[in-house]
Amino acid sequence: TQLLEQSPQFLSIQEGENLTVYCNSSSVFSSLQWYRQEPGEGPVLLVTVVTGGEVKKLKRLTFQFGDARKDSSLHITAAQPGDTGLYLCAGQNSGGYQKVTFGTGTKLQVIP
Amino acid sequence: SAVISQKPSRDICQRGTSLTIQCQVDSQVTMMFWYRQQPGQSLTLIATANQGSEATYESGFVIDKFPISRPNLTFSTLTVSNMSPEDSSIYLCSAQRGVGEKLFFGSGTQLSVL
Repeated sequence: TQLLEQSPQFLSIQEGENLTVYCNSSSVFSSLQWYRQEPGEGPVLLVTVVTGGEVKKLKRLTFQFGDARKDSSLHITAAQPGDTGLYLCAGQNSGGYQKVTFGTGTKLQVIP
Repeated sequence: SAVISQKPSRDICQRGTSLTIQCQVDSQVTMMFWYRQQPGQSLTLIATANQGSEATYESGFVIDKFPISRPNLTFSTLTVSNMSPEDSSIYLCSAQRGVGEKLFFGSGTQLSVL
């Protein structure tokens, strides 16, 4: 069973602070994605990383895929209230059973 | 992008009954998945809906309880059978055009079992 553990589970910060969310697994993934979900809606894709060591930036969000493709991190600079939500990493393999496994989730609250 | 229509959006059911959730995608997709989610928590994969063959179930989920159909590349159904209060949850349909590509989600079905 492929498990993706996220940390921290909960995070409450003030507007303007920086934060990092981690996604760790003992399994190797062909690709890893990050999603954000708001209450009453389905998850929305933020980024996909496929190469070990890859770094992608999306405005104030920086995503990194570990060299061994087992872990990833999401760093948010100068958090804003609009960043509030449930952040989920998700891993998938290109061969065999190509299911998408979601991480345990990180609930972020940014206080104005 | 793909648009997924999922219905019903919510339902309140009596224990022992069954509910079928429908998922319609506006274009052909390679993979479709069914997830369950408790509010504020992560998504748990129930099964992968395979077109033209039996679904692939995750550990803890069985076909008798959660029968799934996928008659073509744009449609799938999930049935929650012989429901109990423990089945109360949000059920999400998702679709993907290819491995590593974006997962599209339906708006979810909020199920309450009394």
